[in-house]
Amino acid sequence: QVQLVQSGAEVKKPGSSVKVSCKASGGIFSSYVISWVRQAPGQGLEWMGRIIPIFGIADYAQKFQGRVTMTADKSTETVYMELNSLKSEDTAVYFCARDPPGVRTDYNYFDLWGRGTLVTVSS
Amino acid sequence: DIVMTQSPDTLAVSLGERATINCKSSQSVLYSSNNKNYLAWYQQKPGQPPKLLIYWASTRESGVPDRFSGSGSGTDFTLTISSLQAEDVAVYYCQQYYSTPIFGQGTRLEIK
Repeated sequence: QVQLVQSGAEVKKPGSSVKVSCKASGGIFSSYVISWVRQAPGQGLEWMGRIIPIFGIADYAQKFQGRVTMTADKSTETVYMELNSLKSEDTAVYFCARDPPGVRTDYNYFDLWGRGTLVTVSS
Repeated sequence: DIVMTQSPDTLAVSLGERATINCKSSQSVLYSSNNKNYLAWYQQKPGQPPKLLIYWASTRESGVPDRFSGSGSGTDFTLTISSLQAEDVAVYYCQQYYSTPIFGQGTRLEIK
């Protein structure tokens, strides 16, 4: 059973950074495309960007350009999302989500999700 | 960016009755080269991640009960639950993947 296992909750100060991890257990990690989607409390879903771990290539939503970095460690089958210059508005649950394997489109839907990581930004 | 607008924001339906949720995109998500609509639907229950229900506007994900169906094309789409069950109480989101993924604002489905 393939799962995406995310790191635990974080509490950060405004202006600091947070790095959230997402480990794939089972499946063929190198073939995945992993996106990050966040959800502020009581709000909807917002796509932040994605990474192709086998190539280490990432692209980001315009809103987060310059403030987010997505990386991958193939040896541990883990992807990371680092968000800098945190503001209170970044308080949210951050999900990693997988493109369906083998579906070759420019952008995609998401067939497998991690359980989410709550990031709280507060002074 | 494409804007996705769902209606209604909240829907209350009696058990066993039909529930219909609408999703409208600000531009067509139908790709002419393959005649596919780049539209998905998700269900999210409290404290859980979204769960994929429907993709390509009308293809049901494996394991999803057949009371869930998707329809529509171009800019107007519908998620229908043919006979509402108690476990269907959730927030439902549409998502376009024709371009940079964008989700609708969500529709909260309740029992009347």
